[in-house]
Amino acid sequence: SQTIHQWPATLVQPVGSPLSLECTVEGTSNPNLYWYRQAAGRGLQLLFYSVGIGQISSEVPQNLSASRPQDRQFILSSKKLLLSDSGFYLCAWSFLGGSQLAAGRDTQYFGPGTRLTVL
Amino acid sequence: AQSVTQLGSHVSVSEGALVLLRCNYSSSVPPYLFWYVQYPNQGLQLLLKYTSAATLVKGINGFEAEFKKSETSFHLTKPSAHMSDAAEYFCAVSRSGGYNKLIFGAGTRLAVHP
Repeated sequence: SQTIHQWPATLVQPVGSPLSLECTVEGTSNPNLYWYRQAAGRGLQLLFYSVGIGQISSEVPQNLSASRPQDRQFILSSKKLLLSDSGFYLCAWSFLGGSQLAAGRDTQYFGPGTRLTVL
Repeated sequence: AQSVTQLGSHVSVSEGALVLLRCNYSSSVPPYLFWYVQYPNQGLQLLLKYTSAATLVKGINGFEAEFKKSETSFHLTKPSAHMSDAAEYFCAVSRSGGYNKLIFGAGTRLAVHP
């Protein structure tokens, strides 16, 4: 079965410090990968998605960036955090495709999340 | 463009009462629709999904949802609420399977009272 991990679970960082959040998926290959942010009292906002190694698309321009150095690893980074970067960050994956996986192609599965507080 | 509207940011029910969480969508193509549940400080867990098969979809934990194209709705229901159902619920829409972008509603927080 597939599992998705995120770390750290919680993080408190000062304004202006760098950020690195990691997400890894086990039990599948060539997944689509996604980063979402959930700010307090708001819904989920898609930040980045990736359909393959080195292929990153940004949904919202900001001071965050994403990288996919390996097939099942997705990293969210920032060089200098802002107060507005605080929130709950969720990684998700879905099957990339292939007719034999059609039944599961439509669903995104989420990790446990990282709570980021910028002070 | 696709969008999702969840009516009611907070819903409160008594234990044993009917749960009804409302979701309306907008989509120019046949949609895929999802309900996710989020417990405090946890990720999102899939409750159920509609992918153009049966219009009445049964999910986990006794929840079900009915796709009504004429009303552009996908409301989530459960006949009898349990205390453990207290959580935040998100409705989401996507264009199709495979590589898909999910558009989420703002969420509905469900409280269950004894």
